[in-house]
Amino acid sequence: AQSVTQLDSQVPVFEEAPVELRCNYSSSVSVYLFWYVQYPNQGLQLLLKYLSGSTLVKGINGFEAEFNKSQTSFHLRKPSVHISDTAEYFCAVSQSGGSYIPTFGRGTSLIVHP
Amino acid sequence: EAGVAQSPRYKIIEKRQSVAFWCNPISGHATLYWYQQILGQGPKLLIQFQNNGVVDDSQLPKDRFSAERLKGVDSTLKIQPAKLEDSAVYLCASSFEPGPNTEAFFGQGTRLTVV
Repeated sequence: AQSVTQLDSQVPVFEEAPVELRCNYSSSVSVYLFWYVQYPNQGLQLLLKYLSGSTLVKGINGFEAEFNKSQTSFHLRKPSVHISDTAEYFCAVSQSGGSYIPTFGRGTSLIVHP
Repeated sequence: EAGVAQSPRYKIIEKRQSVAFWCNPISGHATLYWYQQILGQGPKLLIQFQNNGVVDDSQLPKDRFSAERLKGVDSTLKIQPAKLEDSAVYLCASSFEPGPNTEAFFGQGTRLTVV
């Protein structure tokens, strides 16, 4: 079984500042990793995913994440945030080669202040 | 392209009552998922359909929850009888096929409050 830990429940940041949202996972097998964003009163939207290959993954809206196998981490970063990035961000993991059922973390609320 | 449609958006019921949620996936999407998202937690998969067959319902509380996708398109999720702990947002998602290589698209969800 796999699990996901999102270390911060809330991250406040000022507009145009860089941000990192942390995600650690545990699994006994190889994994796929995902970041989803949920804007207020909206469904989840896929930001980016790591399946294999390059450990640096670029997604939509200027976000990127780096898969670090030794630290079992998949932190999400953006060099300069906008007010419109205010949302809930979910990290998710699923086992590679098995049934694709992702396990989601509890979410991190990113709050961008002007 | 129309997205995943869910109704109703909000529902308030008393405990022990029954409730049903409806989902219309994106046209052509064979895979359909129902998730439960309790406040302060990430979504948890309840059931996955491939066309009209159930692929995974291991986390569905079958004593009170049921779901169907009779014609392999629309789906309904029912709770009978509801408990206070069923208060959550119920998300429906669909994808062209199962697996991580195809993106799952989510609906806006139905927010259920059980009082």
